[in-house]
Amino acid sequence: DVVLTQSPLSLPVTLGQPASISCRSSQGLVNSNGDTYLNWFQQRPGQSPRRLIYKVSKRDAGVPDRFSGSGSGTDFTLKISRVEAEDVGVYYCMQGTHWITFGQGTRLEIK
Amino acid sequence: DVYLVESGGGLVQPGGSLRLSCAASGFMFSDYEMNWVRQAPGKGLEWISYITGSGSIIYYADSVEGRFSISRDNAKDSLFLQMSSLRAEDTAVYYCVRNGGATTGHFDYWGQGTLVTVSS
Repeated sequence: DVVLTQSPLSLPVTLGQPASISCRSSQGLVNSNGDTYLNWFQQRPGQSPRRLIYKVSKRDAGVPDRFSGSGSGTDFTLKISRVEAEDVGVYYCMQGTHWITFGQGTRLEIK
Repeated sequence: DVYLVESGGGLVQPGGSLRLSCAASGFMFSDYEMNWVRQAPGKGLEWISYITGSGSIIYYADSVEGRFSISRDNAKDSLFLQMSSLRAEDTAVYYCVRNGGATTGHFDYWGQGTLVTVSS
């Protein structure tokens, strides 16, 4: 199975400051059709997960442009350019190239 | 708008059975692959089952293979998860999740979840 390792697992951030979460895969995530199925999800306290980013860097409709995804191969990153209070929650990466696995989650909190 | 509404969760004894339902609306249900994903209390996300739009192809995670059965009724825009031989470790919130298709990829819409508690 493909293992996704997120870091850090806990991320205290000052309001208005940037934040970055890493997701490393135990295998390359490029599919046979050339796509890379790496998604990012946000789960606010008490809510269902919400997809933010798909195929590494494509932002879902309604997602603020302060969220961005990047990376290739086995290393991927979610960046928040300026953290707001509503960004508190747990962030998960997920790969869909070699079936489905999730990262452990990164808890973002306001410092 | 796309809506996925799960129901059927509750308290069940170890070894018991439960059937979860997911009512879909706002999209052509039969055109989309669907999944069940669960989250144990305070833990991360675990994919457990997948079904194609026609229902012809089904997959399960090893953790539920042989005990859980996914199905769908496209005439009623509904997804189901029949769970049997339940264990304490099956205690979780169960989410119904849509695959967005080749263009938009996996897991684009989630339901609100339904809690299953396995305890005596």
